Amino acid sequence: AQKITQTQPGMFVQEKEAVTLDCTYDTSDPSYGLFWYKQPSSGEMIFLIYQGSYDQQNATEGRYSLNFQKARKSANLVISASQLGDSAMYFCAMREVDSGYSTLTFGKGTMLLVSP
Amino acid sequence: KAGVTQTPRYLIKTRGQQVTLSCSPISGHRSVSWYQQTPGQGLQFLFEYFSETQRNKGNFPGRFSGRQFSNSRSEMNVSTLELGDSALYLCASSSGTGGRTDTQYFGPGTRLTVL
Repeated sequence: AQKITQTQPGMFVQEKEAVTLDCTYDTSDPSYGLFWYKQPSSGEMIFLIYQGSYDQQNATEGRYSLNFQKARKSANLVISASQLGDSAMYFCAMREVDSGYSTLTFGKGTMLLVSP
Repeated sequence: KAGVTQTPRYLIKTRGQQVTLSCSPISGHRSVSWYQQTPGQGLQFLFEYFSETQRNKGNFPGRFSGRQFSNSRSEMNVSTLELGDSALYLCASSSGTGGRTDTQYFGPGTRLTVL
């Protein structure tokens, strides 16, 4: 079973509008971290935002916020006031900490296109 | 602080050859992880090194190997290249605590083409 599911292969948004990228995850581990990365066409993965499983508040970083719904196992990324430079692939990832040192598991990504 | 660097950025090889990719982590980071990214399979974990020891390994054949040096720099090697090895190889570094907050920072990647 997939641990990270991103159901939107592609999303379109107009400049200055907000957009939500969906991410659901599957884990039985009570301790985990959730990450979002942006990958422009150049290829580099850029870290955007982190949410811990025990964090009470949703994470925010500038125009990025994470809508964390633990009971639904959902960690959606919200980008406010989209810019043309936001056009890229976006990956949701999870690190579980059940036994020993764990690795980062990625979803398949969502391609976001921002139009003028 | 300088970011993660990877060399070379682009490589073209032929089937049967071998290749070595290099990664220099962020200063102070002790963990280096390698990923293979292809359009069909997405991002797949290769291995992780921490303090010169392989700590985790993904499901890849033995042709894929790596090592880490005492200064935390890492290399990965692919022997007997196959066409399917054409991919973007990404290196990521982190503090290496292994906890849920252990954030990985990625380099620009090496794009390998096997002809």
